[in-house]
Amino acid sequence: GIQVEQSPPDLILQEGANSTLRCNFSDSVNNLQWFHQNPWGQLINLFYIPSGTKQNGRLSATTVATERYSLLYISSSQTTDSGVYFCAVRGGQGGATNKLIFGTGTLLAVQP
Amino acid sequence: DAGVTQSPTHLIKTRGQQVTLRCSPKSGHDTVSWYQQALGQGPQFIFQYYEEEERQRGNFPDRFSGHQFPNYSSELNVNALLLGDSALYLCASSLLGQGVRGYTFGSGTRLTVV
Repeated sequence: GIQVEQSPPDLILQEGANSTLRCNFSDSVNNLQWFHQNPWGQLINLFYIPSGTKQNGRLSATTVATERYSLLYISSSQTTDSGVYFCAVRGGQGGATNKLIFGTGTLLAVQP
Repeated sequence: DAGVTQSPTHLIKTRGQQVTLRCSPKSGHDTVSWYQQALGQGPQFIFQYYEEEERQRGNFPDRFSGHQFPNYSSELNVNALLLGDSALYLCASSLLGQGVRGYTFGSGTRLTVV
């Protein structure tokens, strides 16, 4: 099956700093999403980005599907950005599958 | 508009017992998926329910079973609990036609098996 790896596993930033999180996947995919898991455990969908670049405020994401990686950029980080960031791809073949395969996550701590 | 609601939020059970977790999907959604997230890991797909039937299943033993009701709410049942079943159990609802792109997750149930 598809393998999804994220780096770095942990990251500590001072408020205001920028960061880049990386997601590598082992096979071609037609669906890639970035999630933020808040301290209460809820997964919030940040981006649906199978290819190209998208921006939403201080966050942006780029996926290069041909090279099997995606990047999540966080600029001017805030303490509320703390949490775990996951990338996830749709598992299996064809249109019949509706499960996500998650990476191992990046734990981000933003210090004031 | 209420999002996905899961209950209970926390639960402690003893090895060998059985547990039932509940999920109410977001209004308008017809599909419910369940994920298990062990500490320090990413969520893993357990199964998905649509039209009251299990539509797809991940690599979980038969001790894990589920149900979907006519109002689209769902239950996850785990029998003969093991210590390794301790995890955060997440429910995600969606519209079948939107696939995984339309997922909305709940905040989960934290299960501790002692």
